[in-house]
Amino acid sequence: SQQGEEDPQALSIQEGENATMNCSYKTSINNLQWYRQNSGRGLVHLILIRSNEREKHSGRLRVTLDTSKKSSSLLITASRAADTASYFCATDDNNNDMRFGAGTRLTVKP
Amino acid sequence: DVKVTQSSRYLVKRTGEKVFLECVQDMDHENMFWYRQDPGLGLRLIYFSYDVKMKEKGDIPEGYSVSREKKERFSLILESASTNQTSMYLCASSQPTTGDEKLFFGSGTQLSVL
Repeated sequence: SQQGEEDPQALSIQEGENATMNCSYKTSINNLQWYRQNSGRGLVHLILIRSNEREKHSGRLRVTLDTSKKSSSLLITASRAADTASYFCATDDNNNDMRFGAGTRLTVKP
Repeated sequence: DVKVTQSSRYLVKRTGEKVFLECVQDMDHENMFWYRQDPGLGLRLIYFSYDVKMKEKGDIPEGYSVSREKKERFSLILESASTNQTSMYLCASSQPTTGDEKLFFGSGTQLSVL
């Protein structure tokens, strides 16, 4: 069954604005990861946050994790047209598998 | 960098055909996965394998089987292709570590079953 659910399904912003995507999940997790997918291609790992961490940064990316609410958010600051892609959260419950949500389609207009 | 290679980028098959999708990774990863991706449904796990000759069912294994005879290769088999198996198929691999496992994906195979 699907684990993560991203919100919103689609997001359209202007270049330079910040983009925030949310993810909710159902069960206990070992870590939560965010991936990016350009149209028609494979997914690329962006950032991982462990269950005992609350916030993590990587360049223009900021991820938060609230295990009490079973939710995470991905913030992309100062967005660029090249950030246009679909973004997925994935949860690892330490059972050797990983489950993804349906994704958020981000469009950044130049 | 890890490379995960899927044998075909696009594939067109007929209903009832037996279809093989091949995936090879070059980083000696233990775990390998097959997902299918459909609009609005995200990625759904079909099968995964954590060792040679080992396999585990994911969420939607019906109509599929897998084979892992060598560590680097994980094949997805559609025993008798049906139109509802038209989809993007994504292979991934990972190396299990404590708390830091991340997936490396291939470019995907867009399969059309006519």
